[in-house]
Amino acid sequence: EIVMTQSPATLSVSPGERVTLSCRASQSVNNNLGWYQQKPGQAPRLLIYGASTRDTGVPARFSGSWSATDFTLTISTLQSEDFAIYYCQQYHNWPFTFGGGTKVEIK
Amino acid sequence: EVQLVQSGAEVKKPGESLKISCKASGYSFTSQWIGWVRQMPGKGLEWMGMIFPGDSDTRYSPSSQGQVTISADKSTSTAYLQWSSLKASDTAMYYCARHRGYSFADYWGQGTLVTVSS
Repeated sequence: EIVMTQSPATLSVSPGERVTLSCRASQSVNNNLGWYQQKPGQAPRLLIYGASTRDTGVPARFSGSWSATDFTLTISTLQSEDFAIYYCQQYHNWPFTFGGGTKVEIK
Repeated sequence: EVQLVQSGAEVKKPGESLKISCKASGYSFTSQWIGWVRQMPGKGLEWMGMIFPGDSDTRYSPSSQGQVTISADKSTSTAYLQWSSLKASDTAMYYCARHRGYSFADYWGQGTLVTVSS
């Protein structure tokens, strides 16, 4: 099973700041990596797939990148509605696995 | 418009059986995988398994294998997650999600909260 490790667990930031979230895979997943946003009381929402492709309707301030087994989600200018938990997920091999999540909270 | 509508919250006792549902609409139900994801209280997301309704090909995660049964009814475009004997540790929110191909999940149900308590 591929283990996905996200860091940090919690990020305290102010609106308007640039945010970088990290995710590392225990082995190669190529670019078979998605990022999801989950707000309290809501289902997850797909933001990014293929490591760097924004899903339909996702604001351009969200971007994804990768190098080998390291993946990054960047929010260029944090908006109030972006405070949430973010999960990475590999779909290279079954079982698909999520990282433990990064909570982006208000500083 | 793609929609996944899940059945309502359940409160059960340990040892009881349960079947929760996820009704799909707005796309060809038999052409896309549907998965189930567990989220225990205050915890992260965990894939349990997925099914391809077109031929009922089903995959289970190692931790879910033998613990639950995933099925689908093509006639009603509904996927199911079933337990034969619930445990307190099954208390969680369960989400169904449509996969785009054999990959990421692009549409999610609203979740079904299952509470197992004596």
